[in-house]
Amino acid sequence: DGGITQSPKYLFRKEGQNVTLSCEQNLNHDAMYWYRQDPGQGLRLIYYSQIVNDFQKGDIAEGYSVSREKKESFPLTVTSAQKNPTAFYLCASSTELAKNIQYFGAGTRLSVL
Amino acid sequence: GQQVMQIPQYQHVQEGEDFTTYCNSSTTLSNIQWYKQRPGGHPVFLIQLVKSGEVKKQKRLTFQFGEAKKNSSLHITATQTTDVGTYFCARTTGRRALTFGSGTRLQVQP
Repeated sequence: DGGITQSPKYLFRKEGQNVTLSCEQNLNHDAMYWYRQDPGQGLRLIYYSQIVNDFQKGDIAEGYSVSREKKESFPLTVTSAQKNPTAFYLCASSTELAKNIQYFGAGTRLSVL
Repeated sequence: GQQVMQIPQYQHVQEGEDFTTYCNSSTTLSNIQWYKQRPGGHPVFLIQLVKSGEVKKQKRLTFQFGEAKKNSSLHITATQTTDVGTYFCARTTGRRALTFGSGTRLQVQP
């Protein structure tokens, strides 16, 4: 089955800890994205990548980091600098061939202990 | 500048009633996408509108793009409990990312 897999589904972070959220896609999409969603809110863009080894900051990149070493993978690290990390994190991918429609993973819920 | 405003924030209807959500922008949109997110789920693409004045239908859902390409609407006829969720409009930016509206949460009373 083609799709986007995010793991883990739930994650807990201790004070001062960095945590990494995984996002893998087998859709052969060139672009990948990370969004943050707070309760009752829309999605806000954290980082995006249009090609391997290249990525750009979105609207709320502070306290987060990413890498894009492989086309299929776009992990997000929530660093200790992110003081309010509790949220629902969504990964998405797209391709220009499909009019940039975004396909989302099931998300990771991050909470602070 | 690149934001999209979505109204209402929340709507509670009786099953069988109609529902409409509106998406407005202060600047011209190249296109608009609509997504649905079920409670506890992830956004799922519904439709993309590109042309001025465009109207597209999917069963009971009707999507419109304004003549000036600054607004869009989603209308659901005769709501069902399966329509429950949050409906987002989203505009594409020059960087191929999406800027989402804040969403309209629809609750349907059986």
